[in-house]
Amino acid sequence: DAGVIQSPRHEVTEMGQEVTLRCKPISGHNSLFWYRQTMMRGLELLIYFNNNVPIDDSGMPEDRFSAKMPNASFSTLKIQPSEPRDSAVYFCASSPAGTGGTNEQFFGPGTRLTVL
Amino acid sequence: AQRVTQPEKLLSVFKGAPVELKCNYSYSGSPELFWYVQYSRQRLQLLLRHISRESIKGFTADLNKGETSFHLKKPFAQEEDSAMYYCALSGPSYGNKLVFGAGTILRVKS
Repeated sequence: DAGVIQSPRHEVTEMGQEVTLRCKPISGHNSLFWYRQTMMRGLELLIYFNNNVPIDDSGMPEDRFSAKMPNASFSTLKIQPSEPRDSAVYFCASSPAGTGGTNEQFFGPGTRLTVL
Repeated sequence: AQRVTQPEKLLSVFKGAPVELKCNYSYSGSPELFWYVQYSRQRLQLLLRHISRESIKGFTADLNKGETSFHLKKPFAQEEDSAMYYCALSGPSYGNKLVFGAGTILRVKS
């Protein structure tokens, strides 16, 4: 298994543009998590899904942020419009926890977003 | 209230010195505790978890329910141990979520 896959790995965009980050979880994992990592705030959970259903989106900072999981093998995090303060590394993680397994999470390589 | 506390933002030690990264938690019940490591510009990786009671890369961590602590220890630090270390907690109250501490940067100097 290739592990959790994220794309793009790096994204540079201008303020006001739409940004879409993509994640493919590990096959068989039923839980998917989106995190944001910054120097100031550390690691923040934005939203997580169980069986493709959003369970907790209390960490989503603003309405500019939205996340979807149309099927078990794909999720997107969208920022529209983007702002410079959204610059961060965005991690996706998956876990078999939804199937009664361990709560251990497996992280993707992250997307480094820079908004100019 | 913070549920996972890592009191040190930065811990700097010399190569060969012992290392202890502190983690305290607050949780009613039986939590599952983890240590994750993030090397420079890489993904977070699981280092160890308390239920495994194993030693990984020379690191160990013992869950102390009386002191509600899960400190990470290594007797002799190596330069390649330099990284960010996160303590995390899971439990039925949090569903499938992991609650992460703020992280501690470990710098091992030669």
